[in-house]
Amino acid sequence: SQELEQSPQSLIVQEGKNLTINCTSSKTLYGLYWYKQKYGEGLIFLMMLQKGGEEKSHEKITAKLDEKKQQSSLHITASQPSHAGIYLCGRAMTTDSWGKLQFGAGTQVVVTP
Amino acid sequence: DAGVIQSPRHEVTEMGQEVTLRCKPISGHDYLFWYRQTMMRGLELLIYFNNNVPIDDSGMPEDRFSAKMPNASFSTLKIQPSEPRDSAVYFCASRAGLGSRKKLFFGSGTQLSVL
Repeated sequence: SQELEQSPQSLIVQEGKNLTINCTSSKTLYGLYWYKQKYGEGLIFLMMLQKGGEEKSHEKITAKLDEKKQQSSLHITASQPSHAGIYLCGRAMTTDSWGKLQFGAGTQVVVTP
Repeated sequence: DAGVIQSPRHEVTEMGQEVTLRCKPISGHDYLFWYRQTMMRGLELLIYFNNNVPIDDSGMPEDRFSAKMPNASFSTLKIQPSEPRDSAVYFCASRAGLGSRKKLFFGSGTQLSVL
């Protein structure tokens, strides 16, 4: 969806290096989900951010929400082969229908040895 | 917890045939969503249910598509008749309805190919 832009479209990172994915919305962000998808598999929930300035971390993945800029970023520290996949951000379209999400096109991450 | 269970994993059918996709949400979840993923359009919401009642079906592409949720543990998405442009991965997702339990859990998807 052009209302939710992800950048970059794809990236190749050497194992051990950091990477950042951005997600920018042209509409109000009531909440922002991050998912990871591997080929042929479903979406794995990573994090959900709801409040402006919120930051969450899980293992080596950190996500931040900038409500004013209507933007979120996902940062992976010291990438590993297990981090390879497609990362999708999803915007909650209303305040009372969490799960009714509009998704970005995804960012494909490749981790090389 | 078994997670959201979808069947079949893969479906190959001929144009004009009826296709039925099945979903079992996570026990206790009040909301169920059907999404479709294609290369051209990405991941898009088709319909969602709350307590077995369809709430928003504005994403259903046309009358050939229908979805039902006869009880809290089962939902179907039916395409009749199917067309090649319906080829996609169809995901079912569910979430709990109360408070901060807003995590949306996806199934593994059904890869549909209409020849």
